[in-house]
Amino acid sequence: NAGVTQTPKFRILKIGQSMTLQCAQDMNHNYMYWYRQDPGMGLKLIYYSVGAGITDKGEVPNGYNVSRSTTEDFPLRLELAAPSQTSVYFCASTSGQGRTGELFFGEGSRLTVL
Amino acid sequence: AQSVTQLDSHVSVSEGTPVLLRCNYSSSYSPSLFWYVQHPNKGLQLLLKYTSAATLVKGINGFEAEFKKSETSFHLTKPSAHMSDAAEYFCVVSDRRGSTLGRLYFGRGTQLTVWP
Repeated sequence: NAGVTQTPKFRILKIGQSMTLQCAQDMNHNYMYWYRQDPGMGLKLIYYSVGAGITDKGEVPNGYNVSRSTTEDFPLRLELAAPSQTSVYFCASTSGQGRTGELFFGEGSRLTVL
Repeated sequence: AQSVTQLDSHVSVSEGTPVLLRCNYSSSYSPSLFWYVQHPNKGLQLLLKYTSAATLVKGINGFEAEFKKSETSFHLTKPSAHMSDAAEYFCVVSDRRGSTLGRLYFGRGTQLTVWP
């Protein structure tokens, strides 16, 4: 089972560049999430989606954009990268059934902005 | 408002001794609570969850947690630590409302070190 797949695993960007972090899941999950993880800060929600065509902002959406054209894919777009966006990014998904709330995470994408 | 406080950023134990990772929460609703584990350079994995059933919850790898509403706590314990338990642990609260999946709020994490 592939689960949640994130690409790339590592990336270095220059200030002002743009890029897209890819996320795909093969579990037919409706809910998908993007988090960023900074040392000692836990995970902060950037954007989430409750189904294809529906997205919403999380706690820290500034500087990011998302789209959800299919159930499987949930790419995260960084426009005009800034050093403050240096972080580890995690994509996650869940079926959202009942109250289980179990998230399935990808292995992360480590981004450095110089 | 929902929030989670993990009371220790680092915990060190010797192999074979008990583990206690502390978590307090605040929630405006009847919460769902979770513990996730993250091994180095990996994504997070669910360890156990509380969703209003039994207050003592058993998880994988011998971990368990007790939901104490009066103390707003959800501490994670294990009777005997193994070297493989060394990882970062996150306490998480969900602001679920009825059957709707709510947003998850993560604590800052507790790094567990296990000494041989």
